[in-house]
Amino acid sequence: SQTIHQWPATLVQPVGSPLSLECTVEGTSNPNLYWYRQAAGRGLQLLFYSVGIGQISSEVPQNLSASRPQDRQFILSSKKLLLSDSGFYLCAYDSGNTIYFGEGSWLTVV
Amino acid sequence: GNSVTQMEGPVTLSEEAFLTINCTYTATGYPSLFWYVQYPGEGLQLLLKATKADDKGSNKGFEATYRKETTSFHLEKGSVQVSDSAVYFCALSEGGTSYGKLTFGQGTILTVHP
Repeated sequence: SQTIHQWPATLVQPVGSPLSLECTVEGTSNPNLYWYRQAAGRGLQLLFYSVGIGQISSEVPQNLSASRPQDRQFILSSKKLLLSDSGFYLCAYDSGNTIYFGEGSWLTVV
Repeated sequence: GNSVTQMEGPVTLSEEAFLTINCTYTATGYPSLFWYVQYPGEGLQLLLKATKADDKGSNKGFEATYRKETTSFHLEKGSVQVSDSAVYFCALSEGGTSYGKLTFGQGTILTVHP
């Protein structure tokens, strides 16, 4: 069966520290992968998507970056976190005409 | 570009009341439309979807009809329960090779009291 995992589930990081959120997918090959963010009191916004290894498209300018080192692995990173990076981050992939979301990662920058 | 506009919240109802959450969209082409639900402390779950005009998506007593003429996809439920308390998101996808590129509305918080 197809599954998607992301971790860590919750983290509290100081301003200026680095970030790494990881997402892995099982049960499918060559998926399209996505990172979304939900800032406090706002809707979900697409940050990055990837159609293959090493192929990353950014939807909005920001302090974050994404990488896809393996077919089913998608990583969201930052070298120096800002307070405005706080939020709920969701990884997703699509298979056929269905979209699957991970459990989400709550990031609080203090 | 694409956009989704949802009814402003929060919405507070008593149990067994009728629910409507309005959603309108702007898109080129013929998007697929979705309603997602986020229960407290949980991730996003697909509630229902419709992929073409006049389709009706339904699940757990919720329904929404894809209205191309009014570019709307309003969510309805005849009798809400306390367990329906959650945040509801309307979204669209233009489909094609990047089906997961969703445009979301801002979300509507629903609180149902006993």
